[in-house]
Amino acid sequence: SYVLTQPPSVSVAPGQTARITCGGNNIGSKSVHWYQQRPGQAPVLVVFDDSDRPSGIPDRFSGSNSGGTATLTITNVEAGDEADYYCQVWDSITDHWGVFGGGTKLTVL
Amino acid sequence: QVQLVESGGGVVQPGRSLSLSCAASGFTFNTFRLHWVRQAPGKGLEWVACISTDESKTFYADSVRGRFSISRDNSRHTLHLQMTSLRPDDTAVYYCARGWAEFDLWGQGTLVTVSS
Repeated sequence: SYVLTQPPSVSVAPGQTARITCGGNNIGSKSVHWYQQRPGQAPVLVVFDDSDRPSGIPDRFSGSNSGGTATLTITNVEAGDEADYYCQVWDSITDHWGVFGGGTKLTVL
Repeated sequence: QVQLVESGGGVVQPGRSLSLSCAASGFTFNTFRLHWVRQAPGKGLEWVACISTDESKTFYADSVRGRFSISRDNSRHTLHLQMTSLRPDDTAVYYCARGWAEFDLWGQGTLVTVSS
């Protein structure tokens, strides 16, 4: 099965830039999606297809997928960005599985 | 209002069955692939199952294949998950979600606890 690897935690001061990585075999050939999950809430899609943003998501959130790693970048981090973030792909080449990374806890210092 | 609302969670003994439902509103239900995603307490997200728009295709995670069955009623805008032979490690919040490859709308989740 396909495995996505994320760092367990990332810490950043308010106003700084947070980068959360997601690694997987040949991930550059896949479309990567990112979710934000605040405590006690359902996940929210913040980036899809590597770098597109759903309507209503601030442009402080951006994504990239190159060099063997997908990255979610959050600029000018705010206290409200503190949450768990998950990357995800749909591995339709193999078994039509939805695959999530293990999640990264973003702490705003 | 565009939303998904799950129901049916509760406490169930190991080996028993439970059925979850997800009611959709505010969008054209039969044009979206639908999924169940779960989250064990304190753990990450795990995709569980998916059903195509016309109900003709279903896909399952290895951990639930043969025990869980996903279905939908396009006339009633409802998604279902029939869970049998439940195990303690099936304990989780179960979310329904819509989308083709990404999940752009989620319900609030329903908690299933498998315990004797």
